[in-house]
Amino acid sequence: QKEVEQNSGPLSVPEGAIASLNCTYSDRGSQSFFWYRQYSGKSPELIMFIYSNGDKEDGRFTAQLNKASQYVSLLIRDSQPSDSATYLCAVNPMDSNYQLIWGAGTKLIIKP
Amino acid sequence: EPEVTQTPSHQVTQMGQEVILRCVPISNHLYFYWYRQILGQKVEFLVSFYNNEISEKSEIFDDQFSVERPDGSNFTLKIRSTKLEDSAMYFCASSRAPTGELFFGEGSRLTVL
Repeated sequence: QKEVEQNSGPLSVPEGAIASLNCTYSDRGSQSFFWYRQYSGKSPELIMFIYSNGDKEDGRFTAQLNKASQYVSLLIRDSQPSDSATYLCAVNPMDSNYQLIWGAGTKLIIKP
Repeated sequence: EPEVTQTPSHQVTQMGQEVILRCVPISNHLYFYWYRQILGQKVEFLVSFYNNEISEKSEIFDDQFSVERPDGSNFTLKIRSTKLEDSAMYFCASSRAPTGELFFGEGSRLTVL
């Protein structure tokens, strides 16, 4: 059974600080990794994707991938109250071209 | 900015009834998907659709479910003989390529009584 695990939170971070969100996955052959943001009652929205080991930066967001440890993380710099949401980690497993396996999400709260 | 649109936003139905959920994917996208999210639970893959046929489906997507692209713009999910456990938010998504860079619609909330 392929699994994606996230700490459910809530993770509370002061405004302006760095928020660090983590995700582990069970399928060692997974190739593609995604972070989605989901506001309460809304649909997931793509934030970042990463395919190779290392860091990938996009504005205030940095995704980090370590395939040996089966670990992917998302850093949010200069956190804003509007970043308060649930962050979903999603992984494309090796035996699928189309399917994403999703974590349950980490609820992030940015305190003004 | 182009977006995926879904109708209805909320549907209430009696157990055993048939439901059709509709989606208009982004016009230049070729890959279409249905996911569902039971309240408080993980997002779950149901089915992907490419070139007018199912490209992949999950164990959830059994004979109760079907998908169709009846014309050049709409993409539908039909649930026959709904069960209580079908109550969930159903998300349609589309993408340019078969990757996880998905664009989601706002969802259709299905309540089965």
